[in-house]
Amino acid sequence: DVVMTQSPLSLPVTLGQPASISCRSSQSLVYSNGDTYLSWFQQRPGQSPRRLIYKVSNRDSGVPDRFSGSGSGTDFTLKISRVEAEDVGVYYCMQGTLWPGGTFGQGTKVEIK
Amino acid sequence: EVQLVESGGGLVQPGGSLRLSCAASGFTFSSYWMHWVRQVPGKGLVWVSRINSDATYTSYADSVKGRFTTSRDNAKNTLYLQMSSLRAEDTAVYYCARDPFIPVAGEWGQGTLVTVSS
Repeated sequence: DVVMTQSPLSLPVTLGQPASISCRSSQSLVYSNGDTYLSWFQQRPGQSPRRLIYKVSNRDSGVPDRFSGSGSGTDFTLKISRVEAEDVGVYYCMQGTLWPGGTFGQGTKVEIK
Repeated sequence: EVQLVESGGGLVQPGGSLRLSCAASGFTFSSYWMHWVRQVPGKGLVWVSRINSDATYTSYADSVKGRFTTSRDNAKNTLYLQMSSLRAEDTAVYYCARDPFIPVAGEWGQGTLVTVSS
């Protein structure tokens, strides 16, 4: 089974500074059609998850452009160019290439220093 | 506006059964794969199950295989999760989500809490 490993698990950040979260998979996430089904989700305290990024680097409508996704194969990154107070929460990557099981990373908790 | 509203959670005894529902609106429900994901309060997200758009294919996490069944009624725009032989470790908030991997999708419901306890 594919394993998704996020790092760091805790990320204290100063307001206005950048933040970066890594997500690594134990197997390549490139599907037979050439697409890579790797999404990023944000879960603010007390809320349901919200998708930010799909297929590695595609930002969802309404997601601020300070969020960006990159990577390929087994290594992926979510970056926040300048952290704002509303970005506090837990961030998860999830793969949808290798089935029958979808797999989440452990989550990275972003907090303000 | 896309809406996913889960219901049916509650307290159930070990070994018991429960059926969760997810009412969808704001999109063509019959065109999308749908997923169930659960989360123990304070812990991470865990994928549970998925179903294709016409209900001809389902898949499950090993932890629930043989005990949970996902189905859908496209005429009623509703997704279901039938849970049986429930265990204490099934206690979690259960979310439904519209296909997490494609454009113009990825929404989640507000979740419904299932507590398995005697």
